[in-house]
This record gives sequence, structure tokens and C-alpha cells, in this order.
Amino acid sequence: DVKVTQSSRYLVKRTGEKVFLECVQDMDHENMFWYRQDPGLGLRLIYFSYDVKMKEKGDIPEGYSVSREKKERFSLILESASTNQTSMYLCASSSSGSGSLDTQYFGPGTRLTVL
Amino acid sequence: GENVEQHPSTLSVQEGDSAVIKCTYSDSASNYFPWYKQELGKRPQLIIDIRSNVGEKKDQRIAVTLNKTAKHFSLHITETQPEDSAVYFCAASTNGNKLVFGAGTILRVKS
Repeated sequence: DVKVTQSSRYLVKRTGEKVFLECVQDMDHENMFWYRQDPGLGLRLIYFSYDVKMKEKGDIPEGYSVSREKKERFSLILESASTNQTSMYLCASSSSGSGSLDTQYFGPGTRLTVL
Repeated sequence: GENVEQHPSTLSVQEGDSAVIKCTYSDSASNYFPWYKQELGKRPQLIIDIRSNVGEKKDQRIAVTLNKTAKHFSLHITETQPEDSAVYFCAASTNGNKLVFGAGTILRVKS
């Protein structure tokens, strides 16, 4: 059974703080993703990674960076948190499956509040 | 890039009735269309998906149809039950694993 875990369920930070959100998957998946979820906007892709040390921008990368030093771990970094980054953050992973399209498995989410 | 629109944003049905959620996509090269269900306070989970070489797929009370010409796909839930109440997201993919999601539909099943 695929397991995707995120370091915190709830997080409260102050404007200007550096914030780290961690995601770990235990299924040896090649692909990992970070989304933010806001009411009425669905899930929007921030960054994704197809391999270790590889990253690509998603649809809304501004204000975020990522790190993937190990295959199982994908970190989202807010260099200087702002109030408009208050949101639910979801991590996901999937297998490349010989180039085939595959299911994305989501973590439980981190609800980040920036004051 | 790909754009996915989802309707309606909220849907209320009586228990036992059917529910239909529709999505349209913009990129004719999209070839994979999953549907995710997110219960309150839980993570999204895949419930059904369809690929562009298939027009319809069923799994018990859930079915998905795809019209490539019109670039739309729909989720059909028959004999709805209270546990079907959730937010449903459609998505489309053009280049492999990167998904573009719709805005979501809140489904309420009234008993």
C-alpha cells in the first residue's frame, strides 16, 4: 500500500519566515509533486520532480522553491512566507511505469497559516 | 497549456438519484483523464480514470465517459449514497504524469 506522509498537518508561521514542508513516500516512486489547494481553485501545481536533484516549475512557482536530494523525499520551501501563501499544501507521488501514465498518490496535506 | 473547466461547482441530490459532473479540456493532445474524490479532512484518492483510446469505463456505481471530439468527459454516479458526499476533482494530462485539475465539485447526497 502506497504511503505518502507530510511532516505537519497544521503549521502557523509569521510573515517573512522561511518555511519548510517535507514529503516522504515509501514506494520508490520516481515522480513527486507539490500542489496547493484553495476553495474554488482546485489543486494547482507548484513544482514537480521526475528524478533526484531534478525539478520543474509547475503553474504557480512564484515564491516557492523545492529540493529533492533523495528519491523518497521532496521538500517545498517558502523563502519568505507571505499571507497570500496561507493554504492547504498537498504532496503527491507516482510511478513512471515505463513511460505510462500512472496514479498520483496524495499525502494528508499541510494546512499552513501565515500571520 | 492545458485548461480544465469543471461544472457544476456544487451539486445536491437525493439519496438513490444519479449525479453527473462534467469537465471540458482545451488541449486536444490530452490523453489521460482521472477523477479524484476528497472526503472532508482527507486526501484526494483516485476513483476512476479513462484513457483517450476508450469512450467509456465503468466500476460498479461509477462510470466515466469521454468525448474526444467535443473535448469533454463526465463522471456518472448512480444510486447515490450518503458516503458519496465529497469533493470530486477531474484532471487531464498531456505529457505523462503532470495533471491539470478542475476546480472541484462539492457533491451532497441528502438522505
